[in-house]
Amino acid sequence: DVKVTQSSRYLVKRTGEKVFLECVQDMDHENMFWYRQDPGLGLRLIYFSYDVKMKEKGDIPEGYSVSREKKERFSLILESASTNQTSMYLCASTVRDRASGSYNEQFFGPGTRLTVL
Amino acid sequence: GDSVTQMEGPVTLSEEAFLTINCTYTATGYPSLFWYVQYPGEGLQLLLKATKADDKGSNKGFEATYRKETTSFHLEKGSVQVSDSAVYFCALTLLMDTGRRALTFGSGTRLQVQP
Repeated sequence: DVKVTQSSRYLVKRTGEKVFLECVQDMDHENMFWYRQDPGLGLRLIYFSYDVKMKEKGDIPEGYSVSREKKERFSLILESASTNQTSMYLCASTVRDRASGSYNEQFFGPGTRLTVL
Repeated sequence: GDSVTQMEGPVTLSEEAFLTINCTYTATGYPSLFWYVQYPGEGLQLLLKATKADDKGSNKGFEATYRKETTSFHLEKGSVQVSDSAVYFCALTLLMDTGRRALTFGSGTRLQVQP
């Protein structure tokens, strides 16, 4: 069975702390994504990675960085957490796009609800 | 840029009622279209998809048809159940400047089905 896991379901941090959110997938997928989900805004793409050590900015990368040292693991880093980063963070993965351009389904983890005080 | 617009919720229905959740999009080229569902306390999971015009995606009694002429991908179900209560997201592929693809999502529509 397909599996994307995230290190924590709930996390509470203080303003200014460095925060690591971990995501692991067991499907040998090349592409991995980090989104944040906020009421009324849907999901917004923060960063994605299409290969080990490769990354690309999404719609809202400011205040975040990422790390992809191994194919199965994609980390989201908040260098100095702020209250406006309180949100639900979702990780997803998918296989590489094929030459035809058809897009494969993304598989999501259960999410990490982060509260920054 | 490419975007997805969904009807705002919540949508509240009685069991066995007919469901429609509207989704329209703007996009360059020919995106693939998706409906994802998020049950309480869980991540998103794919409900159905369509990759070209006039395709109909279907799953678990839900259907949506890719209408290029009206740029729409409305979600329908003939008879909803309490277990269908969830948040539904419409999404499309987004071709980024680098040539890579990602998904762009609508804001989500919460469905509440009452017994």
